[in-house]
Amino acid sequence: AQTVTQSQPEMSVQEAETVTLSCTYDTSESDYYLFWYKQPPSRQMILVIRQEAYKQQNATENRFSVNFQKAAKSFSLKISDSQLGDAAMYFCAYRAGSSNTGKLIFGQGTTLQVKP
Amino acid sequence: DAEITQSPRHKITETGRQVTLACHQTWNHNNMFWYRQDLGHGLRLIHYSYGVQDTNKGEVSDGYSVSRSNTEDLPLTLESAASSQTSVYFCASSHHRDGPGFFGPGTRLTVL
Repeated sequence: AQTVTQSQPEMSVQEAETVTLSCTYDTSESDYYLFWYKQPPSRQMILVIRQEAYKQQNATENRFSVNFQKAAKSFSLKISDSQLGDAAMYFCAYRAGSSNTGKLIFGQGTTLQVKP
Repeated sequence: DAEITQSPRHKITETGRQVTLACHQTWNHNNMFWYRQDLGHGLRLIHYSYGVQDTNKGEVSDGYSVSRSNTEDLPLTLESAASSQTSVYFCASSHHRDGPGFFGPGTRLTVL
């Protein structure tokens, strides 16, 4: 069975600095997708970034980028130039590509605090 | 604009009562999902549906049921609410092999 692990329950960063959130996963699949979701206090789940396993290039969305290490089954999120609005809980999620069903497996989440 | 909505947003009920949480999406997605969110567990899959008349159990399905009579709606029913079902419930939908899923705003359920 696939699993997703976020080993950092809480992280903090100074405004304008860079922070990296860790995520590891376990799967025997070769075709899959990885995601980072942001959940602010409003509880809305907001997609931050996605990565297709077959792509070697790391995904980037403005200040958010990932370090995808397929062999190590690692998928970390880097937030550059951190802003107060980045404070939220962040979830790493996995989806098998072969099933085509969109079923997501989530990590436990990392709470990010941004200090002014 | 297409969206996914949940109702109610907050619900307090008593142990043993039947409760139904509504989920409605206007994306015309085939795939719909129900997750629950608890501290220390992230989001866990309860039930999911790949289309009308199709329903499947997720990893934490005991005590819950769903039905899919049309594309837009996937109501979640707690047959006999238990205190262990106090949680925040999220509905999500996704297109076939397209995107990670769009989430509703969540329903906070308290079972006393």
